[in-house]
Amino acid sequence: AQKITQTQPGMFVQEKEAVTLDCTYDTSDPSYGLFWYKQPSSGEMIFLIYQGSYDQQNATEGRYSLNFQKARKSANLVISASQLGDSAMYFCAMREPTLTGNQFYFGTGTSLTVIP
Amino acid sequence: DSGVTQTPKHLITATGQRVTLRCSPRSGDLSVYWYQQSLDQGLQFLIQYYNGEERAKGNILERFSAQQFPDLHSELNLSSLELGDSALYFCASSVGGLAKNIQYFGAGTRLSVL
Repeated sequence: AQKITQTQPGMFVQEKEAVTLDCTYDTSDPSYGLFWYKQPSSGEMIFLIYQGSYDQQNATEGRYSLNFQKARKSANLVISASQLGDSAMYFCAMREPTLTGNQFYFGTGTSLTVIP
Repeated sequence: DSGVTQTPKHLITATGQRVTLRCSPRSGDLSVYWYQQSLDQGLQFLIQYYNGEERAKGNILERFSAQQFPDLHSELNLSSLELGDSALYFCASSVGGLAKNIQYFGAGTRLSVL
């Protein structure tokens, strides 16, 4: 089974509107972390937001918020008030602990296009 | 700028050759991670080092090896290169030792094997 699933290969949103990017994950470990990264066309990976498995509240970072539904194993990214600069690939990722370190798994990404 | 430095930015080489990719982590970060991003495989975790020791291994081929030096910089060695090794290779670093472990990525090295 895939560890991270992003079912939306491409999304479009009107400038200034909100958009939700979907992410589901699969783990049996009680201690894990969930991340979202943005990859613009220039190629760099930019950290956006983090949610720990024990965090009670949904994470927020400026215009980004993470809708964490633990029972459903989903960690959707919500971008409010979209801007043209938000056009990029967005990757959901999960950290799972190992005996000595951490394994990281990334989804296949969602390409977001913001329309003026 | 994430603070993670990767060199070189681009590398063009031939099949069968060996290359070394270099990564300097952010100041204060003890953990270094290597990833391969290709069109068909997506972003694949290769290996993690923490303060000089290997801590986790992902989908790293036997032809690939890595190490982290006492000054905490890391090198990824790719040998007997094949066409399919052409990809964007990322290094990331984190403070390590904490549950949060947010990784900050370098700009990547784009490897083209001809």
